[in-house]
Amino acid sequence: QKEVEQDPGPLSVPEGAIVSLNCTYSNSAFQYFMWYRQYSRKGPELLMYTYSSGNKEDGRFTAQVDKSSKYISLFIRDSQPSDSATYLCAMSAGGAQKLVFGQGTRLTINP
Amino acid sequence: DAGVIQSPRHEVTEMGQEVTLRCKPISGHDYLFWYRQTMMRGLELLIYFNNNVPIDDSGMPEDRFSAKMPNASFSTLKIQPSEPRDSAVYFCASRRSNTIYFGEGSWLTVV
Repeated sequence: QKEVEQDPGPLSVPEGAIVSLNCTYSNSAFQYFMWYRQYSRKGPELLMYTYSSGNKEDGRFTAQVDKSSKYISLFIRDSQPSDSATYLCAMSAGGAQKLVFGQGTRLTINP
Repeated sequence: DAGVIQSPRHEVTEMGQEVTLRCKPISGHDYLFWYRQTMMRGLELLIYFNNNVPIDDSGMPEDRFSAKMPNASFSTLKIQPSEPRDSAVYFCASRRSNTIYFGEGSWLTVV
């Protein structure tokens, strides 16, 4: 079993829809949770960063962490075609040194 | 800020040849990471340095892989001899605080 599980998709939704992306994990020591966005043929870029449990909002993006269920989510409101990318969750027990990444979910927003 | 700079962007080489990938991290960042991304295994950490010193190389797949960081502005990842299963995208990344910044990757194909 992988430490971090993420449905690879692909996920296709119409423009304006609310998108929900999720990851589950098995290591209860994980404290740092991140979401990266990766456009085709580019490197991942940090989208959201959360420490421990709770919610964090940044514009149209909301990250949620439920440590009791070992489950994290990323919500995208009012999705745009420019949001089409692969979204990777990442987490670690001690800062950003040894991030463990999910497989990534490929998302397409259709105009 | 120029970001993390990697070279070459694309490399096609024959099995058995030596491959050297290069990275220039963002100035002032004290951590440098080498990752490998494949469809099957996703994004995997190979090795990381702190202040030019290798800290954890447990992700390096085998002795054919080696990495160096002779100074704060340069690192190399070498594969010798290369094999077809080494075909992947290799990312270099550097870190400030808890944010990791990725380069655009070196796309390696070993035939």
